[in-house]
Amino acid sequence: DTEVTQTPKHLVMGMTNKKSLKCEQHMGHRAMYWYKQKAKKPPELMFVYSYEKLSINESVPSRFSPECPNSSLLNLHLHALQPEDSALYLCASSQDATVGKLFFGSGTQLSVL
Amino acid sequence: RKEVEQDPGPFNVPEGATVAFNCTYSNSASQSFFWYRQDCRKEPKLLMSVYSSGNEDGRFTAQLNRASQYISLLIRDSKLSDSATYLCVVTFNTNAGKSTFGDGTTLTVKP
Repeated sequence: DTEVTQTPKHLVMGMTNKKSLKCEQHMGHRAMYWYKQKAKKPPELMFVYSYEKLSINESVPSRFSPECPNSSLLNLHLHALQPEDSALYLCASSQDATVGKLFFGSGTQLSVL
Repeated sequence: RKEVEQDPGPFNVPEGATVAFNCTYSNSASQSFFWYRQDCRKEPKLLMSVYSSGNEDGRFTAQLNRASQYISLLIRDSKLSDSATYLCVVTFNTNAGKSTFGDGTTLTVKP
């Protein structure tokens, strides 16, 4: 099983809503990532979890809150987002944080109204 | 200067053509190098890891030149299905977990 599964695939939310994005992998990977991607731009790193601990936060606004309940799961909690936060949110995993070979989920296309 | 720079493209080539993409990186403390392919509205998918000795996978050949700090991807006998954006990705020894993506090069293969 070489899959990273993300839900939901699409999400529309208002600026006052609270929602969560979910990501799951069963490859035994110990590093998991959240990326944000705008159209025609490369993915932009948001957070890295290594062995279930947050190791990198790329100065992401606090309206994005990551959570790693266990080694297979990664969540991204969203609250009070802005329209400019509309983007494709990609989860990825790798064997560990020193191995750059990333496996991406299919992403959540988020629209903030 | 960006840490990873790619040919901006777009590259428009006929089927059967050979096309090459280059990517340069500025940080000599680099560790791992990859080419990813991303189709429109899809996630990036690993195409190839890149090694100093060079590596080949069918019609695709990747090369790494550490002295000049660039990597390349060569696609021979282009197919329509090769149309995509190709992303160069570099990870650095000094910052585990932080992969740096190039801006991507768009390839369109035409009949």
